[in-house]
Amino acid sequence: DAKTTQPPSMDCAEGRAANLPCNHSTISGNEYVYWYRQIHSQGPQYIIHGLKNNETNEMASLIITEDRKSSTLILPHATLRDTAVYYCIVSAGYGNKLVFGAGTILRVKS
Amino acid sequence: EPEVTQTPSHQVTQMGQEVILRCVPISNHLYFYWYRQILGQKVEFLVSFYNNEISEKSEIFDDQFSVERPDGSNFTLKIRSTKLEDSAMYFCASGTSFTYNEQFFGPGTRLTVL
Repeated sequence: DAKTTQPPSMDCAEGRAANLPCNHSTISGNEYVYWYRQIHSQGPQYIIHGLKNNETNEMASLIITEDRKSSTLILPHATLRDTAVYYCIVSAGYGNKLVFGAGTILRVKS
Repeated sequence: EPEVTQTPSHQVTQMGQEVILRCVPISNHLYFYWYRQILGQKVEFLVSFYNNEISEKSEIFDDQFSVERPDGSNFTLKIRSTKLEDSAMYFCASGTSFTYNEQFFGPGTRLTVL
C-alpha cells in the first residue's frame, strides 16, 4: 500500500498557483519524496523529488516540512495542460519500485 | 530528448493466447520496470530488472509473466496465457543509477483480452 495520503481532488484557476499537499508521516530517514503526474492515460511523468530541503525546478517547487512528515507540491502558474492526476510517492532510492496511490486529481479551470 | 518507447500501442488478443509487449528503454539506463494500470485503477508495479535479472516482482507477476532483455536495447514483457483480467495499460519505465529514483515512463501498451 502507498505510504502517502493525498486529497482526492482539487481545483485551481488558470494562472494561479496550485498547491498540492501530501502526508507521509511514516517516512524513513533514507526515503525521498517524489512527485509524478499522469495526464489522461499517458505514462506517469516525473516532476520533482526531495529529501529534506526545499527543491525547485522548471516545472514545480517542493516544500518539505522540517519533520519530513508532509510536503507540498507547488505549480506556480497552473495552465489547463497541468490538469492531471498528481502522485506523491516515498521511495528509498534508485532501483526501487514506485508505489502509486490514488493521487490527487487536479483540475485547472479557465 | 531521449524517451522510452513501447510497441504496439494497442494489442487485442484472445484469452489463452501469448502476448509480448516490447519496450525500448533510454539507452544509458540500467534499471528497467514494468507497471500496469487497469482502467480506472491505480498504477501497479509488476517487476524490476537490473543487471540481466529480476530484482523485485509483485504478487501479480506470477508464472504466466516473464521479462527479458534479449539484446542491448529491447526489454520485453511476455504473458504466456492471457486472462480477461490481464486487460490493462502496461507501462515500461527505465532509470539510471546516476539519478535518484527518477523513472522515465513510456506511453504504454493497451492490452485488451477478449
